[in-house]
Amino acid sequence: KQEVTQIPAALSVPEGENLVLNCSFTDSAIYNLQWFRQDPGKGLTSLLLIQSSQREQTSGRLNASLDKSSGRSTLYIAASQPGDSATYLCAVPAGGTSYGKLTFGQGTILTVHP
Amino acid sequence: DVKVTQSSRYLVKRTGEKVFLECVQDMDHENMFWYRQDPGLGLRLIYFSYDVKMKEKGDIPEGYSVSREKKERFSLILESASTNQTSMYLCASSLFWSGKNQPQHFGDGTRLSIL
Repeated sequence: KQEVTQIPAALSVPEGENLVLNCSFTDSAIYNLQWFRQDPGKGLTSLLLIQSSQREQTSGRLNASLDKSSGRSTLYIAASQPGDSATYLCAVPAGGTSYGKLTFGQGTILTVHP
Repeated sequence: DVKVTQSSRYLVKRTGEKVFLECVQDMDHENMFWYRQDPGLGLRLIYFSYDVKMKEKGDIPEGYSVSREKKERFSLILESASTNQTSMYLCASSLFWSGKNQPQHFGDGTRLSIL
């Protein structure tokens, strides 16, 4: 059964810092990995989907990398801003003919203070 | 942009009531999902549907049922609400799995309290 772990559970940084969020998964036979952002009391917003054939995916100040063989992904946030404060979750497909079912990590709570 | 709309942001119901949570998506997605999210437990899949009138149990289906009569609408039903079903409920949709790289899009969630 696929398991997803995110480290750290919480992170507090001053504005302007570059930071890295980590995600690891136990079954490396994945088609893709998705990073989400969740603001308090809200739903999830898809940030990046990185395919298994890709090593990196970029969107603005966000860069996601994927190393399937080691079962790891990182989300790099450049020049962090207070508006980046949120919970960040990674998710991978559950595997097989699962019709797109996802297994989620517990998330990293990010606080960027001015 | 994909729009997934959940009918209520906040809902308060009584123990034993039958509760309906509605979700509508506007992108002709085949797949639709219902999750619940609880502190310390993360997101857990309740049910999903890959086509009209098709449904499959997720990880925690007990106490819930679903209905998908139209492609754009996926309803979650609490047959007899109990206090342990107090939670944040999230609906999501995606294109059919055959593409293998279809992101899931989420609604804003329904915060349900059972008193």
